[in-house]
Amino acid sequence: GNSVTQMEGPVTLSEEAFLTINCTYTATGYPSLFWYVQYPGEGLQLLLKATKADDKGSNKGFEATYRKETTSFHLEKGSVQVSDSAVYFCALLPTGNQFYFGTGTSLTVIP
Amino acid sequence: DTGVSQDPRHKITKRGQNVTFRCDPISEHNRLYWYRQTLGQGPEFLTYFQNEAQLEKSRLLSDRFSAERPKGSFSTLEIQRTEQGDSAMYLCASSPRTSPGNTIYFGEGSWLTVV
Repeated sequence: GNSVTQMEGPVTLSEEAFLTINCTYTATGYPSLFWYVQYPGEGLQLLLKATKADDKGSNKGFEATYRKETTSFHLEKGSVQVSDSAVYFCALLPTGNQFYFGTGTSLTVIP
Repeated sequence: DTGVSQDPRHKITKRGQNVTFRCDPISEHNRLYWYRQTLGQGPEFLTYFQNEAQLEKSRLLSDRFSAERPKGSFSTLEIQRTEQGDSAMYLCASSPRTSPGNTIYFGEGSWLTVV
């Protein structure tokens, strides 16, 4: 079946620290992979995506590489800011119509 | 703002009452999705439409839930005889088509609290 497993949070980092949030998946076919971010009281916003193996998605200093051999799509940022505090969701879109989301990882960045 | 719009943003209702949520997708998007999100969890798929046709429904969508998209534009999600377990955020999303790598765009959600 299709599923996403995310690193459990919450994660607390100091400003300018390095961030990694792990995401692994199981899927049929060749899925596309996504990271969405949710700020308090808001809906989900697309952060980045990758559509095939070895693709790297990037946006706002965040990056994630689609690794088929390890079925992973880990999110990284070299230097986090207080404004990055949010919940991050990894998601996959198999060759169908339904997105599958992980449970989310809460990030708090302290000054 | 031409994003996905949801109404109401917050609804508190008594157990047993009916509630209805409305979603206006991005205008050129022909696919519309409903998801449910409970605290500490990721969104769970409920149903989606292509134009006015409801093409897929999750087993989460019990017979107390009904969704419509009568003219292929806005959609409504109705919950009848609400239960406390229905308390969640109901997210609507839309996309222009489904093909590998296509993004879905979420609204800000409608919070439901059943008391």
